[in-house]
Amino acid sequence: DVKVTQSSRYLVKRTGEKVFLECVQDMDHENMFWYRQDPGLGLRLIYFSYDVKMKEKGDIPEGYSVSREKKERFSLILESASTNQTSMYLCATYRTGSFKDEQYFGPGTRLTVT
Amino acid sequence: GDSVTQMEGPVTLSEEAFLTINCTYTATGYPSLFWYVQYPGEGLQLLLKATKADDKGSNKGFEATYRKETTSFHLEKGSVQVSDSAVYFCALRNQGGKLIFGQGTELSVKP
Repeated sequence: DVKVTQSSRYLVKRTGEKVFLECVQDMDHENMFWYRQDPGLGLRLIYFSYDVKMKEKGDIPEGYSVSREKKERFSLILESASTNQTSMYLCATYRTGSFKDEQYFGPGTRLTVT
Repeated sequence: GDSVTQMEGPVTLSEEAFLTINCTYTATGYPSLFWYVQYPGEGLQLLLKATKADDKGSNKGFEATYRKETTSFHLEKGSVQVSDSAVYFCALRNQGGKLIFGQGTELSVKP
């Protein structure tokens, strides 16, 4: 079974703080994604990575950056947290060419910025 | 651009009731269509999928049929259980390989 873990389930940070969210997967998937989930808006893609050290902007990259130094680990960075970044953050992985065509999700990190 | 629209929730049903959650999409070409489910406190997991017109995806008693003529992929279950309470997301994978999600529909099943 694919396992996708996220460093924290709940996080509370202050406005202006630098925040790191980490995601680790154990199935050697090339592709990793960061989404944020907000009520009524569904999932919106922030950034994704299709290989080590590679990254691509998603639909809402402003205020975020990412790092992928190792294949199994994908970090989301909020350079200076703001209250409008309070949200649920979901990490996902995907194997290129997979017949099942399934993205595997972590349990999520609920971030509150005060 | 490509998009997915789901019926608004929350949907509240009694146990053993019939469930329909509507989903329509806009996309060029022939996208693959998915339903993902998010149980309380968990990440999303794939429930079912269909890759071409008239395909029916099914899993755990849930079904959805890919209707090209109406650009729809409605989720149905004949008899829901309390354990089906979750948020359901319709999604498509477009020609560029991007996965696009609807806004999610929360289902609450009462005993």
